[in-house]
Amino acid sequence: QVQLQESGPRVVRPSETLSLSCIVSGGSISGYYWSWIRQPPGEALEWIAYISSSGSYIYNPSVESRVSISVDTSRNQFSLKVKSLTAADTAVYFCAREVRRPDGSGSYYGFLDYWGRGILVTVSS
Amino acid sequence: DIGMTQSPLSLPVTPGEAASISCRSSQSLLHSNGYNCLEWFLQKPGQSPQLLIYMGSNRASGVPDRFSGSGSGTDFTLKISRVEAEDVGVYYCMQALQTPYTFGQGTKLEIK
Repeated sequence: QVQLQESGPRVVRPSETLSLSCIVSGGSISGYYWSWIRQPPGEALEWIAYISSSGSYIYNPSVESRVSISVDTSRNQFSLKVKSLTAADTAVYFCAREVRRPDGSGSYYGFLDYWGRGILVTVSS
Repeated sequence: DIGMTQSPLSLPVTPGEAASISCRSSQSLLHSNGYNCLEWFLQKPGQSPQLLIYMGSNRASGVPDRFSGSGSGTDFTLKISRVEAEDVGVYYCMQALQTPYTFGQGTKLEIK
């Protein structure tokens, strides 16, 4: 059974940089796409970014200037950095796996099938 | 960004009754290859979201058949044929046609 586990600091000061990791167990990180998604307290979900196991990535333009995502296939994990933090970055951060399957016409369809439990990060002085 | 609008935002249901949640997108989610890039998730209290439906109407592995997804283009519906107590939580739709992926506001299902 594939499991994802987020790790990182629970409290970060404003203006500092948040570093989160997601360790994948029970399966390989190779061959999939890996996302970070966050949820401010009492609010809806916001997709932040994804990265493929080969290292190609896409960011949400709403945070693109402040985030970076990376993958380490040797350690079966991927990471997210968010800089210049403000209170608005306080949220539960989830990591998730996206599986993509060929649709027989050269394209693919995909879906987010496994999620981590999430880690609550509070930005506060 | 593609906007996603769910209704209702709150859904009280009696166990055994049917329930329906609507999700509308600001542009068509129909891929050129004929499938809809729309997923449904359930976030149970204190848990992470779990995938229920993908491609608009395909049940994910292990999802009970009382859950069904339908719709195409910009209008989608999640139906629960007979609500059980374990179905409480917040339901989200998400479009995966283009980045940034975007979610609906969520529909909170509660038991009467």
